[in-house]
Amino acid sequence: EPEVTQTPSHQVTQMGQEVILRCVPISNHLYFYWYRQILGQKVEFLVSFYNNEISEKSEIFDDQFSVERPDGSNFTLKIRSTKLEDSAMYFCASSEDQGMNTEAFFGQGTRLTVV
Amino acid sequence: KQEVTQIPAALSVPEGENLVLNCSFTDSAIYNLQWFRQDPGKGLTSLLLIQSSQREQTSGRLNASLDKSSGRSTLYIAASQPGDSATYLCAADSNTGKLIFGQGTTLQVKP
Repeated sequence: EPEVTQTPSHQVTQMGQEVILRCVPISNHLYFYWYRQILGQKVEFLVSFYNNEISEKSEIFDDQFSVERPDGSNFTLKIRSTKLEDSAMYFCASSEDQGMNTEAFFGQGTRLTVV
Repeated sequence: KQEVTQIPAALSVPEGENLVLNCSFTDSAIYNLQWFRQDPGKGLTSLLLIQSSQREQTSGRLNASLDKSSGRSTLYIAASQPGDSATYLCAADSNTGKLIFGQGTTLQVKP
């Protein structure tokens, strides 16, 4: 069964360093998303991406964050200068379409720890 | 602004019991309501998706219902098993593709 894959599963980085989280969405999907979940809190939307552009972003997704689809398969989230509060589980998701009856599929997540 | 709430936050039941998890949302203008399962430290597994035009969806021992007018969805789990122990999340999609999640209900099924 097709699945969304994320790498690495766990990343430890020093405050101020840049990190890139990688995702391979399901191959025929056109819409891509990043979410994050701080320990003990709700899963929060960060950004959606379609046709090589950001469709929507949340208040969390400030100038420190960027997304890219560098080739036909990967979808990346870059955090330019990590802060302690960026420590969270980051989930990538993809969907075939948007709107009625569109199911989102999530990856297993990357646990980011900023020290 | 859409807000999603799940009650209870935690639930412990003996094996074999039928149970209901609740999800409420403030904005009834949703397109889909999706239920997920999350095991500790793991990703989100999609369980069921209900379109706004539907009232329920079933998959095996799971049945999800949707009442847009009251802003509620329920996930019914029949004949619970220890393997059902996990956190169950509901999420509302208002047609932008952005999912708004509840905080989840952590279920423990005791053998």
